[in-house]
Amino acid sequence: NAGVTQTPKFQVLKTGQSMTLQCAQDMNHNSMYWYRQDPGMGLRLIYYSASEGTTDKGEVPNGYNVSRLNKREFSLRLESAAPSQTSVYFCASTMTDRPNTEAFFGQGTRLTVV
Amino acid sequence: AQSVTQLGSHVSVSEGALVLLRCNYSSSVPPYLFWYVQYPNQGLQLLLKYTTGATLVKGINGFEAEFKKSETSFHLTKPSAHMSDAAEYFCDVSEAGANSKLTFGKGITLSVRP
Repeated sequence: NAGVTQTPKFQVLKTGQSMTLQCAQDMNHNSMYWYRQDPGMGLRLIYYSASEGTTDKGEVPNGYNVSRLNKREFSLRLESAAPSQTSVYFCASTMTDRPNTEAFFGQGTRLTVV
Repeated sequence: AQSVTQLGSHVSVSEGALVLLRCNYSSSVPPYLFWYVQYPNQGLQLLLKYTTGATLVKGINGFEAEFKKSETSFHLTKPSAHMSDAAEYFCDVSEAGANSKLTFGKGITLSVRP
């Protein structure tokens, strides 16, 4: 049981380049999330998807797009990377209709934009 | 909507000393409360959770937390800190009967001095 899998683990981009961060979960969870983590800022929600086919903006959505491809997969796209997007990105999943259950997190993607 | 407040962004204790990490929540209905731990270069993992029943909850690695409804608190404690407890700790609250999304506090960095 792999849980939540994120790829890639590390990435260096030049300013203006695009890339997609991939996330997949094998726990049949209906909700999935993308966060960024910066020193002193905690976890900030970028986008979330409460169910297949729906996505909503979080706290810091500018510069990002998402796609909930199916129940398993939730991707995050940077269309034109900027140095301000240098961060560690985490994907998470939960059972929204069971709020007494915990979230599961991927191991993170460390992105550097130069 | 539910929310959490974690007091203090950084706590430093000596090895063997008491660990106390504070979390207060806001919720209009009975909450479900979680503590997660993030070790360096890893994703978050569940430390413990309160759903219903006993208000004193025990988790992994000797941590425990007590749900106090009158104080709207869910503080995390450990009687004796170990060097391996150095990590970042996040409090989370969710609610029954709502399309609840993950709402974390800012996180508390715990340092343990030899």
